[in-house]
Amino acid sequence: GAGVSQSPSNKVTEKGKDVELRCDPISGHTALYWYRQSLGQGLEFLIYFQGNSAPDKSGLPSDRFSAERTGGSVSTLTIQRTQQEDSAVYLCASSFTGALIDTQYFGPGTRLTVL
Amino acid sequence: AQSVSQHNHHVILSEAASLELGCNYSYGGTVNLFWYVQYPGQHLQLLLKYFSGDPLVKGIKGFEAEFIKSKFSFNLRKPSVQWSDTAEYFCAVNTPTDSWGKFQFGAGTQVVVTP
Repeated sequence: GAGVSQSPSNKVTEKGKDVELRCDPISGHTALYWYRQSLGQGLEFLIYFQGNSAPDKSGLPSDRFSAERTGGSVSTLTIQRTQQEDSAVYLCASSFTGALIDTQYFGPGTRLTVL
Repeated sequence: AQSVSQHNHHVILSEAASLELGCNYSYGGTVNLFWYVQYPGQHLQLLLKYFSGDPLVKGIKGFEAEFIKSKFSFNLRKPSVQWSDTAEYFCAVNTPTDSWGKFQFGAGTQVVVTP
């Protein structure tokens, strides 16, 4: 497939557990974004990777959230000690160069439910 | 902190009616502005974007938006909607001088077009 893929599509976990969410960007895209969308709210920016530059982590809501991008491609968003308020759809997007004129292509999202 | 406001959470209208969705942002500096759409069961996709130049921007599927700097607004319009325009619409703002890759999204407007 040529689009952004995310896995798993759904994740149900218990409060206090750690979860890992995966994003495979479009091949050749150097910029990658993570957002989350809580029920009835817009997208909330979490983190942005651009090539080999240090990521912009300014949107991460707490130190329980972290993300990495290996080899400039696949990214993993990790949430430690999950809380019920972490329940949301986590969206990943990628763009070709990260230039603002580049279109962001979104994946289908991972729906996280914390019980 | 910057914010993006979408005035209507839900809009219901008939086919062939005109559509206008409001978007206001709070930031006094340089902004880049976007409208995204999410059709039922599909990924978020870009409708149109504004960076500079003509404040009236035309996007896909007959949509257009006008940037009015003095009003901090970027309203989306379509003269005659179709049933296939039923979707959720998100306004987004990027403030490149603050954070290159960070995008602030509005809460979204759910649009339902009835036959």
